[in-house]
Order: sequence, then C-alpha cells, then structure tokens
Amino acid sequence: EAQVTQNPRYLITVTGKKLTVTCSQNMNHEYMSWYRQDPGLGLRQIYYSMNVEVTDKGDVPEGYKVSRKEKRNFPLILESPSPNQTSLYFCASSFSISGYGYTFGSGTRLTVV
Amino acid sequence: GENVEQHPSTLSVQEGDSAVIKCTYSDSASNYFPWYKQELGKGPQLIIDIRSNVGEKKDQRIAVTLNKTAKHFSLHITETQPEDSAVYFCAAKPHLQLIFGQGTTLQVKP
Repeated sequence: EAQVTQNPRYLITVTGKKLTVTCSQNMNHEYMSWYRQDPGLGLRQIYYSMNVEVTDKGDVPEGYKVSRKEKRNFPLILESPSPNQTSLYFCASSFSISGYGYTFGSGTRLTVV
Repeated sequence: GENVEQHPSTLSVQEGDSAVIKCTYSDSASNYFPWYKQELGKGPQLIIDIRSNVGEKKDQRIAVTLNKTAKHFSLHITETQPEDSAVYFCAAKPHLQLIFGQGTTLQVKP
C-alpha cells in the first residue's frame, strides 16, 4: 500500500530533551515536507525537500532541523524542544518535484511539558 | 509571501443541503489550488484540485471554482451526507511551497 508513515503517533516529552520524529514514504516521491497544525492557524510548513540532500525552510523553521540522506526518509529533529512546539505534526510527500498532489501521513501529536 | 484566508471557520448544514467554503489568496503567482479533507485522527487527504488555467472543475458532488481576477476560489459540496463531516483546507501554491488556509469544520446533521 502506497503511504507515508510517521512515528511515533503520540509523544510526550520534557523541555530540552532532543527528539526525532521519523517519516518514510514508499512511493519513490521526490518531494517531502513537514507541517505543523495548530487550532485556528491551519497547516504551516516547517521544512521541505525537493530531493536527496536538498532541503529548504518553510514558514516556521525556527527550532527544527531536517535531513534528507535517502529519498524515502525525511526525519524531523527538535534539538531542544520547548512548550510552544506542542502541536500536531504532519509529514507529506509528492510525486512532483515542485510539490503538487501531496500525500500526508497520519500525524504525530507532540506535547512538550 | 502568499497568504490564504478561508471562511467560514465552522459550517453546519442539514443532510442533503449544499455547503460552500471560500478562500482568498494574495500572490498572483499562485497557479495551483487544491482542497483537502481531514477526518478525525487522520492526515489531510486531497479531494479535488484546480490549476490557474481552468475556471471550474467537478467531481461527482464536489466542485471547485476559481476567479483569478478576484483571487478567490471556492469549494462546493452538493447533496451533503453525514460522512462529509470533516475539516476542509484550501491551499495555494505560488512556487515550491503549498500554503494552507485556516480550515473549515463542516458538520452535516442527519
């Protein structure tokens, strides 16, 4: 089944403790992206990647890092999480290098206390 | 940068009625306008999209219209059913990013 897989689905952590949210797609998609979803704000893009080793900032990149060492994987790294990073996170991928027709993962609910 | 405004934030309709969700965008370079449906506990799913060279597109009970001059586009759902209840997001794509609206929670009452 073609899909975007995120792990974990739920995560509670403490301020300052480094964490990684994994994202993997099995569709050989070029483009991958991370979004955060907050009430009343919709989906805001954190980072995106058009290809292996090519990443760029979205609208809200502060406090996050990403890497794209393999085509299928695009992990999101929070080096020192803070409570304002409590959110619902989605990974997405696209067959198009320009980012048309996203397929989203099921989401990761992160709580930072 | 691009700014997408979506209205209303919540919408309640009776089963069988029509529902309309409207979005405006600011960047005239935007050329792609998808709509996503998000059910509870799931990721958004693409339901329909339209490109800037097309004014209207239909897929069964769903249609999208685009007015490039006014920079607005709308989602129309006819003969609504309880399973249409979800959060709907519009989006606009000026360049390499996809910019989303704030979302509309649609409730279809049986």
